[in-house]
Order: sequence, then C-alpha cells, then structure tokens
Amino acid sequence: NAGVTQTPKFQVLKTGQSMTLQCAQDMNHEYMSWYRQDPGMGLRLIHYSVGAGITDQGEVPNGYNVSRSTTEDFPLRLLSAAPSQTSVYFCASMMTGDHEQYFGPGTRLTVT
Amino acid sequence: TQLLEQSPQFLSIQEGENLTVYCNSSSVFSSLQWYRQEPGEGPVLLVTVVTGGEVKKLKRLTFQFGDARKDSSLHITAAQTGDTGLYLCAGRSNTNAGKSTFGDGTTLTVKP
Repeated sequence: NAGVTQTPKFQVLKTGQSMTLQCAQDMNHEYMSWYRQDPGMGLRLIHYSVGAGITDQGEVPNGYNVSRSTTEDFPLRLLSAAPSQTSVYFCASMMTGDHEQYFGPGTRLTVT
Repeated sequence: TQLLEQSPQFLSIQEGENLTVYCNSSSVFSSLQWYRQEPGEGPVLLVTVVTGGEVKKLKRLTFQFGDARKDSSLHITAAQTGDTGLYLCAGRSNTNAGKSTFGDGTTLTVKP
C-alpha cells in the first residue's frame, strides 16, 4: 500500500512550457485534491474531485487544468507555466465521509 | 471564500514551556483538522474535531473546537524539541465536503 504518490519530486520549467504533475493513490479514495504551498503560507486549494469524472475549482484554479478518468489518478496540468506558479504542489486523497486527508510527498516546481 | 487565520505565525520557545496556537474564522466548519508538517514532506493529520465544544487530547497536545465551530486551539504542554515543525489547521466546508480551507500555519521551534 503506497498511499499517495507524486511525480516528479522536482521540476524546473521555462516560462511558457507546459507539463503534467502526476498523482496516484491506491486506497480507493473518492476525494482527491491539489494544493499549492508557498513560503510562509498554508495550502491553497487549486482543484478537487469528488469522484471519477467529477472535478471542480478551488481557490486558485487559474492556469491549471485537471481531469479524473479513474479513481486512482488525478493529474494536474500547467498549460503555460509562469514564474508565479513556482511553488510546492501537494496532492491529497480522502475517503468519502472521512475527515482525514492523506498527502503525497509533494512536487517542488520552479519556473524561470 | 472561507478564511482561517492562525496565530501566532512564528513561535520560538524553550523545551519544557507550554504554548497555545489559535485558529479563527468567521465561518462555520463541519469539522476542523490539525496537521503537522515536516520540511520536505506533506502534512500529517494530528486530530479531527467535529462537535462544537469538543476537546481531544493526544499525549501532551490538547485540541479544542469552539462552541460555534468557527475556531479551534492547540495547546502543547511541556514542549519537546521533537515538537518542532509547521502546524496547520484546516476547516472542512459546511456545504461542500470536498473542500478544505487551510490556515497559513504556525512555525514552532522548540530549543533545547
């Protein structure tokens, strides 16, 4: 049982490049979320999903897309990277009716 | 948008001292979680409080949920160097169980 896995762990992009951050969980959790964490701040919700085929926007969705074709996977796409998207990205999952979110180890993204 | 304000933002104390961290909002939450985050890792759940006025104890840590479910506190008795870390509170939306709002965190340093 690997929990929540994220790849890559580190990534450097140039402004305007696109990429996909991968997130997978093997706990059969319905809820999955993407957060970004900037220095000195808590986590801000980017997008979330309450089940396969269902996604919704969080607090800071601009510049990011998500899809949820399976229960296990919830990739986050950066369409055209900007320096303001330099951050640490965390994926989390949670079982329906539960309160605890399980977090992945994070992806540290730098956009130059 | 539901906001959670955490205070203090930084706290540096000597081993053996007591401390309290506060998490306040004008919004009502269905539940509130406290997480602890180590550098380079994702947050890990410490406790969930659900009922207004609820008090939970986890060894030297005491968590309280306000009667109106808008605020919470974390009290640590006789802090140890191992308590050093970032403490985050997160409120689960009263109307949308898929959404959590995080506070900006309290960075605690316990000196030997």
